[in-house]
Amino acid sequence: KNEVEQSPQNLTAQEGEFITINCSYSVGISALHWLQQHPGGGIVSLFMLSSGKKKHGRLIATINIQEKHSSLHITASHPRDSAVYICAVRSGETSGSRLTFGEGTQLTVNP
Amino acid sequence: NAGVMQNPRHLVRRRGQEARLRCSPMKGHSHVYWYRQLPEEGLKFMVYLQKENIIDESGMPKERFSAEFPKEGPSILRIQQVVRGDSAAYFCASSLNTDYEQYFGPGTRLTVT
Repeated sequence: KNEVEQSPQNLTAQEGEFITINCSYSVGISALHWLQQHPGGGIVSLFMLSSGKKKHGRLIATINIQEKHSSLHITASHPRDSAVYICAVRSGETSGSRLTFGEGTQLTVNP
Repeated sequence: NAGVMQNPRHLVRRRGQEARLRCSPMKGHSHVYWYRQLPEEGLKFMVYLQKENIIDESGMPKERFSAEFPKEGPSILRIQQVVRGDSAAYFCASSLNTDYEQYFGPGTRLTVT
């Protein structure tokens, strides 16, 4: 079992829909990251969070430390949101800056 | 403030040759991380370096791979005697300090023929 599990693996939505991507992890962490990987391959950091909720534009990320679960929400989705969304956790251990990644969620938003 | 720079963006090597991948962190960042993304797979940690020090290399293959981050200049990921299985995208990220956000470079896509 992977330390970081994402669901769904693939998601297709119509423009304007509300989207949720889930991430569960099994280890103690000091922080969780949400990343976006564009079709061209570049990776953009969307959020880093260790508790609560963060919002940036149409994106919202939440984390529940007790349940070891995080969600990424996209409101009013748009075709330009089509990308792979990756959850990554940073361990709370000594050499804990390394990130452990989920397999990613491929999101396609159709016009 | 320029982001994380990686070069080359694309690298083609024949089996048995050496590959050198370079990463220049964001200005002021002294922590560098290398990650590998094999075709159709997720990202995997390789190595974490600070200036002149390797902090964690637990994700590096035991042979043929090495990394450095000298006092001056970029971080280098070196792969000796490349094999087809080394074909992948190699991403570098940098951060200001240990627990800070990591910023990713555009990646180097290595193809071994």
